[in-house]
Amino acid sequence: KNQVEQSPQSLIILEGKNCTLQCNYTVSPFSNLRWYKQDTGRGPVSLTIMTFSENTKSNGRYTATLDADTKQSSLHITASQLSDSASYICVVSLLSGTYKYIFGTGTRLKVLA
Amino acid sequence: DAMVIQNPRYQVTQFGKPVTLSCSQTLNHNVMYWYQQKSSQAPKLLFHYYDKDFNNEADTPDNFQSRRPNTSFCFLDIRSPGLGDAAMYLCATSRDWYEQYFGPGTRLTVT
Repeated sequence: KNQVEQSPQSLIILEGKNCTLQCNYTVSPFSNLRWYKQDTGRGPVSLTIMTFSENTKSNGRYTATLDADTKQSSLHITASQLSDSASYICVVSLLSGTYKYIFGTGTRLKVLA
Repeated sequence: DAMVIQNPRYQVTQFGKPVTLSCSQTLNHNVMYWYQQKSSQAPKLLFHYYDKDFNNEADTPDNFQSRRPNTSFCFLDIRSPGLGDAAMYLCATSRDWYEQYFGPGTRLTVT
């Protein structure tokens, strides 16, 4: 069964600290993996997208890694800010001629001053 | 800026009273999606249009309908909203099956 699991479900950190969010998937055949940030009451906004051959991609203070062999991805946030408080969603898409995006349930991050 | 726009941002409707949510895009993407997202859950795909071709998810209730009169616009019609339909409704677009761009969502409240 195609699944995407994220951990932890929720996380609280202090401003300025780093954190790492995890995404494990059993999607096959794999096409790409995306990380989205979703602020409360807003739509998801893309942070990174990685294909099978890419194992790291950065977007400012956000760095995503991908290990296609172990089917794991992580999102590392450096020097967290209050504005990083949001849900982070991992989405994996199948290599297919039609639609198939598998969503994780997200990690809810809270950054405290 | 090119973007995905959803109106209204907040919608309150009464139990059983039809409601329409709208989505427009300036990205000229050929694929448009409607998702339902409930609190602390992942977005759930209701249906999508690939060009003019409508694709309904097997578990999308008949209560939900969609229209895409042209490339730029897509509507979600809920014929008889129930309390369980209260949720955030997200519209997204993509060029074929590449990266999805999401709108800000419409928060639907059913009273």
